Amino acid sequence: QPVLTQSSSASASLGSSVKLTCTLSSGHSSYIIAWHRQQPGKAPQYLMNLEGSGGYNKGSGVPDRFSGSSSGADRYLTISNLQSEDEADYYCETWDSNTHVVFGGGTKLTVL
Amino acid sequence: EVQLVQSGAEVKKPGESLSISCKGSGYSFTSYWIGWVRQMPGKGLEWMGIIYPGDSDTRYSPSFQGQVTISAAKSISTAYLQWSSLRASDTAMYYCVRRVTGTDYWGQGTLVTVSS
Repeated sequence: QPVLTQSSSASASLGSSVKLTCTLSSGHSSYIIAWHRQQPGKAPQYLMNLEGSGGYNKGSGVPDRFSGSSSGADRYLTISNLQSEDEADYYCETWDSNTHVVFGGGTKLTVL
Repeated sequence: EVQLVQSGAEVKKPGESLSISCKGSGYSFTSYWIGWVRQMPGKGLEWMGIIYPGDSDTRYSPSFQGQVTISAAKSISTAYLQWSSLRASDTAMYYCVRRVTGTDYWGQGTLVTVSS
C-alpha cells in the first residue's frame, strides 16, 4: 500500500508563488494522486488529479493559478499569485483501489 | 451541478447508535462510488470505506472494519454511515465523497460529538 509524505508547513508572501510537494513511497512512483485544499473551518475541496507524467486535470472552477507537475515519486502543486484565501491545509491522496485509499498528512500553508 | 448534501450535526452519548446520511444530486448516483472520510479535531484525513450504490458493493479500510457500517438507498440517492455503539473517540467531522478516479467531490461534513 502506498504512503504519501508531505511537509507539515509552508509559507509564502501574498502575490508570490509556492510549490508544495507530495512524495510517494518506494515502489509507487507511477501512481496518480489528487490534491485537495481545506480552508479553515470548511470541507476539503478537490483541486486536481496529477499523473506521473505531469499531466493534470483540474476540478470545476479551480483557478488558473493552480497547476501541477511531477518528477519521479514527487508530485507538486504550484500556486501562483497567492491570495489570502489560499491560506489553508493542502492534502494529497492516492489509491491502490477503491478499498485502499490514503491521504498525506497535509501541509499547512501560511500566506504572509 | 454535482452536490453531496450531508445530514446535520449530532450530539450523542457513549453507547448510543447513530446514522448519518449523504444525499447525492446532479449526477447518476448509482454510477459512482461514495466514500466516507473521518477528520478528528485538529487532525488530518482518514479513509474509512466506500460503497457502490449500483450494486451495494462495500469495502472498508482495515482500521474501520467492524466499527462502522456503510450502506446506500439508491432509490433516494442517499448513502449512510452507521454506528451501533458510539465511543467518545468517534467524536469527529465526517465527510462523504464521490470517487471516480480519485475523490472529485466532497460533502459539507457532519460533526459528530460523543460525550457523556
